[in-house]
Amino acid sequence: IAGITQAPTSQILAAGRRMTLRCTQDMRHNAMYWYRQDLGLGLRLIHYSNTAGTTGKGEVPDGYSVSRANTDDFPLTLASAVPSQTSVYFCASSARTGYNEQFFGPGTRLTVL
Amino acid sequence: AQSVTQPDIHITVSEGASLELRCNYSYGATPYLFWYVQSPGQGLQLLLKYFSGDTLVQGIKGFEAEFKRSQSSFNLRKPSVHWSDAAEYFCAVGPSAGNKLTFGGGTRVLVKP
Repeated sequence: IAGITQAPTSQILAAGRRMTLRCTQDMRHNAMYWYRQDLGLGLRLIHYSNTAGTTGKGEVPDGYSVSRANTDDFPLTLASAVPSQTSVYFCASSARTGYNEQFFGPGTRLTVL
Repeated sequence: AQSVTQPDIHITVSEGASLELRCNYSYGATPYLFWYVQSPGQGLQLLLKYFSGDTLVQGIKGFEAEFKRSQSSFNLRKPSVHWSDAAEYFCAVGPSAGNKLTFGGGTRVLVKP
């Protein structure tokens, strides 16, 4: 089934630990995105990638890093998790940048204690 | 900087009644506008989008939205809601090129039997 998969579905993490959220898409989309969703704030862009091998910073990039070694995968890493990174994280992709529809994964619920 | 405001955090509507969700945006150029729906525990699904042309846009699930440039608004409507329309709805604005989609804070819709 075509779409975006994210793993894990949920995770409880101790502060200071390193964590990588995985995202894979099979639609051969060029652009991929990471958002965090917090109550009342909607979705905020963390990092994005226009194409394999390139990445860029979004609205709230601090404390997060990404890589885009190939078209399909776009992992998000928290090098040293803090409680303020407790959130629901969504990965998305689009066929190209700009005005094309973004398709979203099911999300990862992360709790940092 | 672009921004999106959804003034209503919660809306409760009776099944079969009409629904209107408000969205106001701030953007310096011609905006690209989107409405997404998020069912509980799910990712976001695109309802409809406006890029240009007819200012009344039809989407999936019987939704429509009207772009009003003079009011900087892109309100979502449905003539008769179904219990399955209970969800959170997000308005988003994007530029004509580039990656940044800016989301509103969301409106949660509850449907009474």
